[in-house]
Amino acid sequence: GNSVTQMEGPVTLSEEAFLTINCTYTATGYPSLFWYVQYPGEGLQLLLKATKADDKGSNKGFEATYRKETTSFHLEKGSVQVSDSAVYFCVLGGYSTLTFGKGTMLLVSP
Amino acid sequence: GAVVSQHPSWVICKSGTSVKIECRSLDFQATTMFWYRQFPKQSLMLMATSNEGSKATYEQGVEKDKFLINHASLTLSTLTVTSAHPEDSSFYICSAGPTQEPQHFGDGTRLSIL
Repeated sequence: GNSVTQMEGPVTLSEEAFLTINCTYTATGYPSLFWYVQYPGEGLQLLLKATKADDKGSNKGFEATYRKETTSFHLEKGSVQVSDSAVYFCVLGGYSTLTFGKGTMLLVSP
Repeated sequence: GAVVSQHPSWVICKSGTSVKIECRSLDFQATTMFWYRQFPKQSLMLMATSNEGSKATYEQGVEKDKFLINHASLTLSTLTVTSAHPEDSSFYICSAGPTQEPQHFGDGTRLSIL
């Protein structure tokens, strides 16, 4: 079956630091990959997506590339802000059935 | 863009009470909606798939009689936690999505049973 493995958090960074959150997956077929973000007390918001190998999703300075050869979809941002503090979920699947990673908490300090 | 509205955002009630949570798709029709439960600092656990006009599909281990799901229209699904007890306290989130678009999530409902 499908599965998603994310690096455990919390990831603690200073403002303007470089961010990488690792995500690897196992899947049958050719699923889409997503990163969702959850701010405290809220639901999940779609951050970016990639629908096929070598696609790069990007939004708000975040980006992730769908790497089929390494079955990875690592999230990166060149310069994080305090407002980026949240939990980030790597998610695999089609447009309805989703497989979630466990989430990685990011804490950014001024 | 597509919006999913969930209501209420916070509920506190006594043990034994039944609580209804609504999930609405505001600008699209959703034949399928999903209900999740999230424990503190954990990922989302799929509870059930809500199907418009038919019975919901429950995940293994989820009590159908405890968590009643109704999807009576293409824009509304409801989750009723019947005779709620403290162990039902959790964060409940719904999702839905237009065809060929990723799922959009509601803002969640924090349920606290005293």
